[in-house]
Amino acid sequence: NAGVTQTPKFQVLKTGQSMTLQCAQDMNHNSMYWYRQDPGMGLRLIYYSASEGTTDKGEVPNGYNVSRLNKREFSLRLESAAPSQTSVYFCASSSRRDRVSEQYFGPGTRLTVT
Amino acid sequence: AQSVTQPDIHITVSEGASLELRCNYSYGATPYLFWYVQSPGQGLQLLLKYFSGDTLVQGIKGFEAEFKRSQSSFNLRKPSVHWSDAAEYFCAVGGVQGAQKLVFGQGTRLTINP
Repeated sequence: NAGVTQTPKFQVLKTGQSMTLQCAQDMNHNSMYWYRQDPGMGLRLIYYSASEGTTDKGEVPNGYNVSRLNKREFSLRLESAAPSQTSVYFCASSSRRDRVSEQYFGPGTRLTVT
Repeated sequence: AQSVTQPDIHITVSEGASLELRCNYSYGATPYLFWYVQSPGQGLQLLLKYFSGDTLVQGIKGFEAEFKRSQSSFNLRKPSVHWSDAAEYFCAVGGVQGAQKLVFGQGTRLTINP
């Protein structure tokens, strides 16, 4: 039982390049989330998926797209990376789709955009 | 707007001393409250949660937290810290703006003096 896994762990991009961050969970959870973490700002929600087939914007969605590929996988795409997207990205999942429950986090992806 | 405030950005305590990390939230209804810990270079791990019932909740690693509705607070405590407790601690509130989403505080970084 690996929990929540993320790939890659580290990535360096040039401004304007694109990439996809991958996330998978093996806990049969319904809801999945993407956050970014910046110093002094805590975690901010980018997008979330309450259940397979649905996605919704969070607090900071601009510049990102997501795909809930199936119940296990939730990817985050940067179409044209900008230096402001330099951050640590965390994927999380939770069991409930209809109410709050604890979220389980992956190890993170550290992204640098130059 | 719903929010979470952790007033202390950085706290230093001596090993063996007691610890209290502060968390204040702003939310109109009964909140769902969480404390997470993040060790350097790692993802977030759930320490404890409050949904309802007894306002003093016990968590892992010897931590506890007390929900005080009158003060809109959910402070984290530990009677005697260990060097391994050095980490960043995040308070989060759920039940806001959508059933599954959490809003995180800015985090408190804990340093332990030997």
